Amino acid sequence: EDKVVQSPLSLVVHEGDTVTLNCSYEVTNFRSLLWYKQEKKAPTFLFMLTSSGIEKKSGRLSSILDKKELFSILNITATQTGDSAIYLCAVEANAGNMLTFGGGTRLMVKP
Amino acid sequence: NAGVMQNPRHLVRRRGQEARLRCSPMKGHSHVYWYRQLPEEGLKFMVYLQKENIIDESGMPKERFSAEFPKEGPSILRIQQVVRGDSAAYFCASSPGSWAKLFFGSGTQLSVL
Repeated sequence: EDKVVQSPLSLVVHEGDTVTLNCSYEVTNFRSLLWYKQEKKAPTFLFMLTSSGIEKKSGRLSSILDKKELFSILNITATQTGDSAIYLCAVEANAGNMLTFGGGTRLMVKP
Repeated sequence: NAGVMQNPRHLVRRRGQEARLRCSPMKGHSHVYWYRQLPEEGLKFMVYLQKENIIDESGMPKERFSAEFPKEGPSILRIQQVVRGDSAAYFCASSPGSWAKLFFGSGTQLSVL
């Protein structure tokens, strides 16, 4: 059975801090790994990673994938209160592009 | 360009009633996915549909649950004879093709009394 594990479960930081969120996976026939941000509503897409070692960056957020060690990290620098959300990691494996989600990391950024 | 639209946002049902959840994918998207999220848990895949076809329903309970995506109109997730354990947020997502970047709707929060 495909498995995606995120850590930590929750995290409280202050504005300006840098955070690193972790996602490890065990899946058959890995195709891609995705990060989503979920506030009160719909999960919104952040990154899609398919190749090892290539960092994807969007503003203060960046992510990288290690296909040998089967994990990905999501970094957020200079955090802001608007970064408070649940961050979800998902892996696409096998055919049919269904995603297996991890349990999420709940990030709270205090002013 | 409207995103994925789900309705209703909140649905309250008594045990034994039926729940119908609707999802209109983004314009141009022909692939629809339904996920369920329990409190403090990640999203769990239920079913993947294309127009008029169920592609994969391996995550959907065999009994009481059904899904359709007709040629015209929204995708419907139907839960018959709801039980308290069905209470969850149900998210729909769509994509334009068979790749994994999914766009999610805002979800329907189902509460079973």
